Amino acid sequence: DTEVTQTPKHLVMGMTNKKSLKCEQHMGHRAMYWYKQKAKKPPELMFVYSYEKLSINESVPSRFSPECPNSSLLNLHLHALQPEDSALYLCASSQGGGIYEQYFGPGTRLTVT
Amino acid sequence: QKEVEQNSGPLSVPEGAIASLNCTYSDRGSQSFFWYRQYSGKSPELIMFIYSNGDKEDGRFTAQLNKASQYVSLLIRDSQPSDSATYLCACVGSQGNLIFGKGTKLSVKP
Repeated sequence: DTEVTQTPKHLVMGMTNKKSLKCEQHMGHRAMYWYKQKAKKPPELMFVYSYEKLSINESVPSRFSPECPNSSLLNLHLHALQPEDSALYLCASSQGGGIYEQYFGPGTRLTVT
Repeated sequence: QKEVEQNSGPLSVPEGAIASLNCTYSDRGSQSFFWYRQYSGKSPELIMFIYSNGDKEDGRFTAQLNKASQYVSLLIRDSQPSDSATYLCACVGSQGNLIFGKGTKLSVKP
């Protein structure tokens, strides 16, 4: 089973709203990732959690705030976003420990108005 | 900074033909490579990974790695219209993240 789930599938929010994206995996994976993907571009890394610790932050603006409550869950809290933040937000997980195959969730299509 | 280069295409092949997708990478120390398929509006799906020099076959798919030439390829035999998608090549970054090429759009014509 290589399933990663994400909710919601679609989200429309105003620039003053606060919302959260959720990701869950039950494969026992110890690394989880948030990527952002704009149209006709490859996914770009935002955050990596390895063994529930944030190990990289690719200079992402503070209006994006990640959280890893436990090894199966990953959240992305959104606040005061800009229209240019509209994109497909992808969660992925991998086993970690030198095993790098990543499995992606279906993504959340975010539109900021 | 590691980089992965792909021809963006589009690559058009007739149904039943072999589709050949290519990728080069900048870091000679890279060890692991991945091919993802992404349909329009969907998330990337892992279809092949390769760690060793040579060929790796899985059904209609063959991944090839040549570390001396820093070259990775994906062959799709007996191409079907359902194979029409964007194919993303990726290597592993310093934190275990994936670094993607820009993707090659494949179109298989019936």
